[in-house]
Amino acid sequence: AQTVTQSQPEMSVQEAETVTLSCTYDTSESNYYLFWYKQPPSRQMILVIRQEAYKQQNATENRFSVNFQKAAKSFSLKISDSQLGDTAMYFCAFAGSNYKLTFGKGTLLTVNP
Amino acid sequence: DTEVTQTPKHLVMGMTNKKSLKCEQHMGHRAMYWYKQKAKKPPELMFVYSYEKLSINESVPSRFSPECPNSSLLNLHLHALQPEDSALYLCASSQAGNYGYTFGSGTRLTVV
Repeated sequence: AQTVTQSQPEMSVQEAETVTLSCTYDTSESNYYLFWYKQPPSRQMILVIRQEAYKQQNATENRFSVNFQKAAKSFSLKISDSQLGDTAMYFCAFAGSNYKLTFGKGTLLTVNP
Repeated sequence: DTEVTQTPKHLVMGMTNKKSLKCEQHMGHRAMYWYKQKAKKPPELMFVYSYEKLSINESVPSRFSPECPNSSLLNLHLHALQPEDSALYLCASSQAGNYGYTFGSGTRLTVV
Protein backbone atom coordinates (compact mmCIF):
# COMPACT_ATOMS: atom_id res chain seq x y z
CA ALA A 1 0.00 0.00 0.00
CA GLN A 2 1.10 3.51 -0.74
CA THR A 3 1.70 6.03 2.00
CA VAL A 4 2.21 9.77 1.80
CA THR A 5 3.85 11.69 4.65
CA GLN A 6 3.79 15.43 5.23
CA SER A 7 5.90 16.17 8.28
CA GLN A 8 4.99 19.86 8.67
CA PRO A 9 1.47 20.30 10.11
CA GLU A 10 1.72 24.09 9.95
CA MET A 11 3.98 26.66 8.32
CA SER A 12 3.98 30.40 7.93
CA VAL A 13 5.75 32.75 5.55
CA GLN A 14 5.90 36.48 4.95
CA GLU A 15 4.32 37.87 1.85
CA ALA A 16 6.73 37.92 -1.14
CA GLU A 17 9.05 35.36 0.44
CA THR A 18 9.69 31.75 -0.60
CA VAL A 19 8.51 28.68 1.28
CA THR A 20 9.04 24.95 0.76
CA LEU A 21 6.57 22.26 1.82
CA SER A 22 7.89 18.74 2.30
CA CYS A 23 6.38 15.44 1.21
CA THR A 24 7.70 11.89 1.16
CA TYR A 25 5.97 8.79 -0.11
CA ASP A 26 6.40 5.08 -0.22
CA THR A 27 5.41 2.79 -3.07
CA SER A 28 6.55 -0.33 -4.87
CA GLU A 29 5.13 0.86 -8.18
CA SER A 30 7.42 2.14 -10.89
CA ASN A 31 4.92 4.34 -12.71
CA TYR A 32 2.80 6.78 -10.79
CA TYR A 33 1.76 10.41 -10.47
CA LEU A 34 2.31 12.89 -7.66
CA PHE A 35 0.22 15.96 -6.97
CA TRP A 36 0.02 19.00 -4.78
CA TYR A 37 -3.51 20.20 -4.02
CA LYS A 38 -4.52 23.42 -2.32
CA GLN A 39 -7.67 23.66 -0.21
CA PRO A 40 -8.54 27.18 0.94
CA PRO A 41 -11.29 27.86 3.50
CA SER A 42 -13.75 27.88 0.61
CA ARG A 43 -13.06 24.07 0.68
CA GLN A 44 -12.58 23.68 -3.08
CA MET A 45 -9.73 21.24 -3.72
CA ILE A 46 -7.56 22.90 -6.36
CA LEU A 47 -4.78 21.18 -8.31
CA VAL A 48 -1.56 23.17 -7.92
CA ILE A 49 0.94 21.01 -9.76
CA ARG A 50 1.39 17.47 -11.08
CA GLN A 51 4.47 15.33 -11.65
CA GLU A 52 4.71 12.12 -13.64
CA ALA A 53 7.20 9.71 -12.10
CA TYR A 54 8.87 8.76 -15.37
CA LYS A 55 9.68 12.39 -16.15
CA GLN A 56 12.98 13.49 -14.63
CA GLN A 57 12.33 17.17 -15.20
CA ASN A 58 10.73 18.92 -12.25
CA ALA A 59 7.29 20.37 -12.94
CA THR A 60 6.70 24.11 -12.67
CA GLU A 61 3.54 26.23 -12.78
CA ASN A 62 4.20 29.95 -12.52
CA ARG A 63 5.25 30.58 -8.88
CA PHE A 64 4.96 26.91 -7.96
CA SER A 65 7.68 24.33 -8.57
CA VAL A 66 8.55 20.92 -7.25
CA ASN A 67 11.75 19.14 -6.33
CA PHE A 68 11.12 15.53 -7.30
CA GLN A 69 13.73 13.08 -6.02
CA LYS A 70 12.52 9.66 -7.20
CA ALA A 71 15.22 7.59 -5.54
CA ALA A 72 14.63 9.32 -2.22
CA LYS A 73 10.84 9.24 -2.76
CA SER A 74 10.63 12.91 -2.01
CA PHE A 75 8.33 15.49 -3.61
CA SER A 76 8.59 18.98 -2.13
CA LEU A 77 6.67 22.07 -3.24
CA LYS A 78 8.32 25.48 -3.50
CA ILE A 79 6.15 28.57 -3.55
CA SER A 80 7.96 31.71 -4.69
CA ASP A 81 6.80 35.30 -4.12
CA SER A 82 4.14 34.12 -1.64
CA GLN A 83 0.82 35.91 -1.82
CA LEU A 84 -1.95 36.29 0.76
CA GLY A 85 -4.18 34.17 -1.48
CA ASP A 86 -1.78 31.25 -1.07
CA THR A 87 -3.04 30.81 2.50
CA ALA A 88 -4.61 27.34 2.52
CA MET A 89 -4.19 23.70 3.47
CA TYR A 90 -1.81 21.98 1.07
CA PHE A 91 -2.09 18.26 0.44
CA CYS A 92 0.49 16.08 -1.23
CA ALA A 93 -1.10 13.15 -3.06
CA PHE A 94 -0.11 9.96 -4.88
CA ALA A 95 -1.90 8.10 -7.65
CA GLY A 96 -0.79 4.71 -8.88
CA SER A 97 -2.28 2.04 -11.09
CA ASN A 98 -5.51 1.47 -9.14
CA TYR A 99 -7.16 4.90 -9.62
CA LYS A 100 -6.85 5.65 -5.91
CA LEU A 101 -5.63 9.09 -4.89
CA THR A 102 -3.86 8.82 -1.53
CA PHE A 103 -3.38 12.04 0.42
CA GLY A 104 -0.92 13.11 3.07
CA LYS A 105 -2.25 14.70 6.25
CA GLY A 106 -1.72 18.18 4.92
CA THR A 107 0.26 21.30 5.77
CA LEU A 108 -1.58 24.44 6.80
CA LEU A 109 0.25 27.38 5.20
CA THR A 110 -0.36 30.91 6.40
CA VAL A 111 0.98 33.86 4.42
CA ASN A 112 1.43 36.91 6.64
CA PRO A 113 1.27 40.49 5.35
CA ASP B 1 -16.95 23.09 -19.16
CA THR B 2 -14.11 22.22 -16.76
CA GLU B 3 -16.10 21.91 -13.56
CA VAL B 4 -17.49 19.28 -11.29
CA THR B 5 -20.79 20.51 -9.89
CA GLN B 6 -22.10 19.22 -6.58
CA THR B 7 -25.53 19.81 -5.12
CA PRO B 8 -26.66 20.69 -2.56
CA LYS B 9 -23.84 22.73 -1.03
CA HIS B 10 -25.21 22.24 2.47
CA LEU B 11 -27.50 19.54 3.85
CA VAL B 12 -28.91 18.95 7.31
CA MET B 13 -30.70 15.66 7.82
CA GLY B 14 -32.11 13.63 10.65
CA MET B 15 -30.98 10.11 11.40
CA THR B 16 -34.18 8.63 9.94
CA ASN B 17 -34.14 10.69 6.75
CA LYS B 18 -33.30 9.61 3.22
CA LYS B 19 -31.42 12.10 1.08
CA SER B 20 -29.18 12.12 -1.98
CA LEU B 21 -26.06 14.01 -3.00
CA LYS B 22 -25.55 14.77 -6.66
CA CYS B 23 -22.39 15.24 -8.71
CA GLU B 24 -22.20 16.17 -12.38
CA GLN B 25 -19.38 16.70 -14.88
CA HIS B 26 -19.31 17.31 -18.63
CA MET B 27 -15.58 16.89 -19.28
CA GLY B 28 -15.89 13.39 -20.71
CA HIS B 29 -14.14 11.91 -17.70
CA ARG B 30 -14.83 8.19 -17.32
CA ALA B 31 -13.80 7.80 -13.68
CA MET B 32 -15.74 9.40 -10.84
CA TYR B 33 -15.12 9.33 -7.11
CA TRP B 34 -16.70 10.02 -3.75
CA TYR B 35 -14.51 11.23 -0.88
CA LYS B 36 -15.37 11.99 2.73
CA GLN B 37 -13.45 14.71 4.54
CA LYS B 38 -13.63 15.42 8.25
CA ALA B 39 -12.46 18.77 9.60
CA LYS B 40 -8.68 19.31 9.41
CA LYS B 41 -8.18 15.86 7.87
CA PRO B 42 -7.34 14.74 4.33
CA PRO B 43 -10.07 13.37 2.09
CA GLU B 44 -10.73 9.64 2.42
CA LEU B 45 -11.79 7.65 -0.60
CA MET B 46 -15.22 6.02 -0.39
CA PHE B 47 -16.12 4.80 -3.89
CA VAL B 48 -14.68 4.74 -7.41
CA TYR B 49 -16.71 4.33 -10.59
CA SER B 50 -14.91 3.49 -13.79
CA TYR B 51 -16.90 3.53 -17.03
CA GLU B 52 -20.09 3.66 -14.96
CA LYS B 53 -19.27 0.51 -13.01
CA LEU B 54 -18.34 0.43 -9.34
CA SER B 55 -14.67 -0.55 -9.22
CA ILE B 56 -13.70 0.30 -5.63
CA ASN B 57 -15.73 0.32 -2.42
CA GLU B 58 -13.51 1.17 0.53
CA SER B 59 -15.59 -0.89 2.98
CA VAL B 60 -18.13 1.89 3.32
CA PRO B 61 -21.21 1.15 5.48
CA SER B 62 -24.33 0.23 3.54
CA ARG B 63 -26.13 3.36 4.74
CA PHE B 64 -24.15 5.02 1.92
CA SER B 65 -25.28 3.82 -1.50
CA PRO B 66 -23.59 5.13 -4.65
CA GLU B 67 -25.16 5.22 -8.08
CA CYS B 68 -23.79 6.17 -11.50
CA PRO B 69 -26.77 6.54 -13.89
CA ASN B 70 -24.60 7.71 -16.79
CA SER B 71 -21.08 8.87 -17.57
CA SER B 72 -21.77 12.44 -16.42
CA LEU B 73 -23.68 11.86 -13.22
CA LEU B 74 -22.83 10.37 -9.84
CA ASN B 75 -25.19 10.13 -6.89
CA LEU B 76 -24.69 9.21 -3.26
CA HIS B 77 -27.85 8.02 -1.53
CA LEU B 78 -27.95 8.44 2.22
CA HIS B 79 -30.17 6.57 4.67
CA ALA B 80 -30.17 6.16 8.44
CA LEU B 81 -26.96 8.10 8.91
CA GLN B 82 -25.25 8.66 12.24
CA PRO B 83 -24.00 11.98 13.65
CA GLU B 84 -20.42 10.82 13.05
CA ASP B 85 -21.19 10.79 9.33
CA SER B 86 -21.29 14.58 9.41
CA ALA B 87 -18.51 15.73 7.09
CA LEU B 88 -17.67 17.37 3.78
CA TYR B 89 -18.43 15.02 0.89
CA LEU B 90 -16.33 15.65 -2.17
CA CYS B 91 -16.91 14.36 -5.66
CA ALA B 92 -14.09 14.15 -8.20
CA SER B 93 -13.60 12.98 -11.74
CA SER B 94 -10.62 12.08 -13.90
CA GLN B 95 -9.81 11.05 -17.41
CA ALA B 96 -8.02 7.82 -16.56
CA GLY B 97 -7.09 7.99 -12.88
CA ASN B 98 -3.61 9.31 -13.44
CA TYR B 99 -4.01 12.67 -15.13
CA GLY B 100 -5.16 14.86 -12.32
CA TYR B 101 -8.47 14.83 -10.62
CA THR B 102 -10.99 17.64 -10.80
CA PHE B 103 -12.87 18.13 -7.55
CA GLY B 104 -16.23 19.66 -6.86
CA SER B 105 -16.67 22.16 -4.05
CA GLY B 106 -18.36 19.57 -1.88
CA THR B 107 -21.53 19.09 0.13
CA ARG B 108 -21.33 19.99 3.81
CA LEU B 109 -23.48 17.34 5.51
CA THR B 110 -24.72 17.62 9.07
CA VAL B 111 -26.57 14.70 10.64
CA VAL B 112 -28.72 15.63 13.64
